[in-house]
Amino acid sequence: KNEVEQSPQNLTAQEGEFITINCSYSVGISALHWLQQHPGGGIVSLFMLSSGKKKHGRLIATINIQEKHSSLHITASHPRDSAVYICAVSTGNQFYFGTGTSLTVIP
Amino acid sequence: DSGVTQTPKHLITATGQRVTLRCSPRSGDLSVYWYQQSLDQGLQFLIQYYNGEERAKGNILERFSAQQFPDLHSELNLSSLELGDSALYFCASSVFSSWRSSYNEQFFGPGTRLTVL
Repeated sequence: KNEVEQSPQNLTAQEGEFITINCSYSVGISALHWLQQHPGGGIVSLFMLSSGKKKHGRLIATINIQEKHSSLHITASHPRDSAVYICAVSTGNQFYFGTGTSLTVIP
Repeated sequence: DSGVTQTPKHLITATGQRVTLRCSPRSGDLSVYWYQQSLDQGLQFLIQYYNGEERAKGNILERFSAQQFPDLHSELNLSSLELGDSALYFCASSVFSSWRSSYNEQFFGPGTRLTVL
């Protein structure tokens, strides 16, 4: 049983498109994290949120605690956004990770 | 550059051996987290230290151990290595110990790629 489910697994978009990646979780959480992993392997934390919405540049993350669901949106996608996006939740003493969404943005 | 350093970058060793991975957190960060990323299991949380003390434990095997030293660097020791231990090992650091605060963002190191032959 996966505590964190992401969809879609793979996503191909044209440059400029609006992209949405979804994350659902089944446990009570302290916070939800969105991570970005580039082909070289490095991981960057994009957002950590426990309620509402956060925006950073072209990236927007939202969370609905009642529905146990979060979305990551990328506006005006660019080839440099190509990466694996991973949703994770922390419960107070444990982290659970989704399997990631592989995004390819074509010029 | 996140400010978190990990050494070595790559490590190739044989089954049954013991290795030590090292992590230096960002200046000012007191928490260190260790993660394992393998092809079949994905990312898994191993353990967290805060200011020298164990704060939380995840899916860390008994063959693995970690510690955080007074200068806040951390080491992950992997012993009796098996083929299945081949993975990328990441450490991350954050300022606080809390898992709840949305201001306690984690910064990841570049990882150590361990290959067990």
